[in-house]
Amino acid sequence: KNQVEQSPQSLIILEGKNCTLQCNYTVSPFSNLRWYKQDTGRGPVSLTIMTFSENTKSNGRYTATLDADTKQSSLHITASQLSDSASYICVVSGIYGNNRLAFGKGNQVVVIP
Amino acid sequence: GAGVSQSPSNKVTEKGKDVELRCDPISGHTALYWYRQSLGQGLEFLIYFQGNSAPDKSGLPSDRFSAERTGGSVSTLTIQRTQQEDSAVYLCASCSGAVDKNIQYFGAGTRLSVL
Repeated sequence: KNQVEQSPQSLIILEGKNCTLQCNYTVSPFSNLRWYKQDTGRGPVSLTIMTFSENTKSNGRYTATLDADTKQSSLHITASQLSDSASYICVVSGIYGNNRLAFGKGNQVVVIP
Repeated sequence: GAGVSQSPSNKVTEKGKDVELRCDPISGHTALYWYRQSLGQGLEFLIYFQGNSAPDKSGLPSDRFSAERTGGSVSTLTIQRTQQEDSAVYLCASCSGAVDKNIQYFGAGTRLSVL
């Protein structure tokens, strides 16, 4: 059973519009949650990392939120650009490190002009 | 360069052949990970190296897969007698310390195609 579920699996948005990606996790106890951006043919790149006590974190036009009580996170993209077309991966770290991370399958975003 | 470097970027091989994939981590990073990414799937953990400790090999899917890290730096992932189901992108990541407290930096990956 996947410990990190992301939705929607894919979406298409018009350039300039906003969108929100969802991540639900079951990892417990929880240490931190990260969002990565993976461009086609590239490795994932870290966008945000949030610990248990953080509710929101921004990186430019990307804003991540975290509700550790409901085990949910979202990534909001504001004023989307064509370069935002990518897969966005939610990654959760548990507190008991065997140094593993739990990866979601990603939200595939396509921004069209 | 300053990032994680992987080679080759693409590898096409015939079923039954052996392949070696290389990863050069960021200088000074003690932790190194190998992952496999199949189409439409999340990253699958393969193996983890941390300093001089014994590697965590628990993610390797079969005994055809092995990896080593020489001198605490460069790592090689070897797949023997490749099968078509081995076709995937193999990603390497390095980290300056414990992954639950530090960011992983990924290479661009090696796309393996087994014919």
